[in-house]
Amino acid sequence: GQNIDQPTEMTATEGAIVQINCTYQTSGFNGLFWYQQHAGEAPTFLSYNVLDGLEEKGRFSSFLSRSKGYSYLLLKELQMKDSASYLCAVKSGAGSYQLTFGKGTKLSVIP
Amino acid sequence: DSGVTQTPKHLITATGQRVTLRCSPRSGDLSVYWYQQSLDQGLQFLIQYYNGEERAKGNILERFSAQQFPDLHSELNLSSLELGDSALYFCASSLRDGPNTGELFFGEGSRLTVL
Repeated sequence: GQNIDQPTEMTATEGAIVQINCTYQTSGFNGLFWYQQHAGEAPTFLSYNVLDGLEEKGRFSSFLSRSKGYSYLLLKELQMKDSASYLCAVKSGAGSYQLTFGKGTKLSVIP
Repeated sequence: DSGVTQTPKHLITATGQRVTLRCSPRSGDLSVYWYQQSLDQGLQFLIQYYNGEERAKGNILERFSAQQFPDLHSELNLSSLELGDSALYFCASSLRDGPNTGELFFGEGSRLTVL
């Protein structure tokens, strides 16, 4: 089966750093994605990890440990516009592309 | 703008009815995916088409069906609608299929309300 866990909600202060964790147990692993989704809008791609380690992209970084089934998304210098849901998704399935999404972490950035 | 177009954006209908949601993928993308997102659930994968053929099936009900046409646009048909089918339905596309596909590009979604 597929199971992806992330905290339901988090609150952080503008200008601070926040880390959103994701743990997964899936049958098959071909990479882990993070997407950002503002309320009522489409998810947009943030990052992709397939090998262990840290991927940095501007204010956002994502880490993966395949042996631990664990990833985190790190957001630095938080801005009000970062208030959104952050979705962790695991790509699995041999041959075909299937993304299994967690339920998302709703991040509220406060002044 | 992801380049993926979905219509209609909003749809209100009654239980027992049938609706069709339409998706045009990004130019050049061959794969189309349908996802359902309800309030208490994450994005649930429904079905994938690649170049006109069904590639993968997820948690899609028998009352739902989909197809991808020669021009690569896709339609999701929902029939015998129930209150629980109220959700946001997303279409996404990607260039290729398989493990090295890369990211998905999502449309803005079709919000279905069943009364």
